[in-house]
Amino acid sequence: DAGVTQSPTHLIKTRGQQVTLRCSPISGHKSVSWYQQVLGQGPQFIFQYYEKEERGRGNFPDRFSARQFPNYSSELNVNALLLGDSALYLCASSSLGSSAELFFGEGSRLTVL
Amino acid sequence: KNEVEQSPQNLTAQEGEFITINCSYSVGISALHWLQQHPGGGIVSLFMLSSGKKKHGRLIATINIQEKHSSLHITASHPRDSAVYICAVRSGTSGSRLTFGEGTQLTVNP
Repeated sequence: DAGVTQSPTHLIKTRGQQVTLRCSPISGHKSVSWYQQVLGQGPQFIFQYYEKEERGRGNFPDRFSARQFPNYSSELNVNALLLGDSALYLCASSSLGSSAELFFGEGSRLTVL
Repeated sequence: KNEVEQSPQNLTAQEGEFITINCSYSVGISALHWLQQHPGGGIVSLFMLSSGKKKHGRLIATINIQEKHSSLHITASHPRDSAVYICAVRSGTSGSRLTFGEGTQLTVNP
């Protein structure tokens, strides 16, 4: 079985541009969560989606948005990019429940110039 | 103060040494995760625990709910154990929302 897949793996954007990152969860997992990891720091929670509905949102500006599709894949969109948005964006999938194991993708490394 | 604190931030060991990484948290949790992150960035889940102790190969994780503290131990450390180890907690109603520590950079020298 394929694990959590993310695309693209690396990308470079300039300030003010928009970016879309994609995540395909493990087959059978209906929950997807997104995290931002700035270099040298631990990841920070951005969003959780389950059954196409937003179930949680971290302390990020409205420039960050996400959605989940009927096949449970997800997209994270960031508008009006800032230099500080440069980070590794991680996606994790799980079944729902506080005891559910999380599985992470390899991440999408975004560099904003 | 961060909700999840790890120590030490950096740890260098010689091959074969016993290693301990500590994690303290200040919120009520439903589960605590120990994660491993290699330089490429991908994260692998090592343990998820809500009580007691778990063992997998040379890795042991313990948690004390009353003291809000967890430890990750590596026995007979090896250079391939070099990575960042991250503690993350999940609160009771947060679904898959995790709060992460800053990570511990472990380097094991041959």
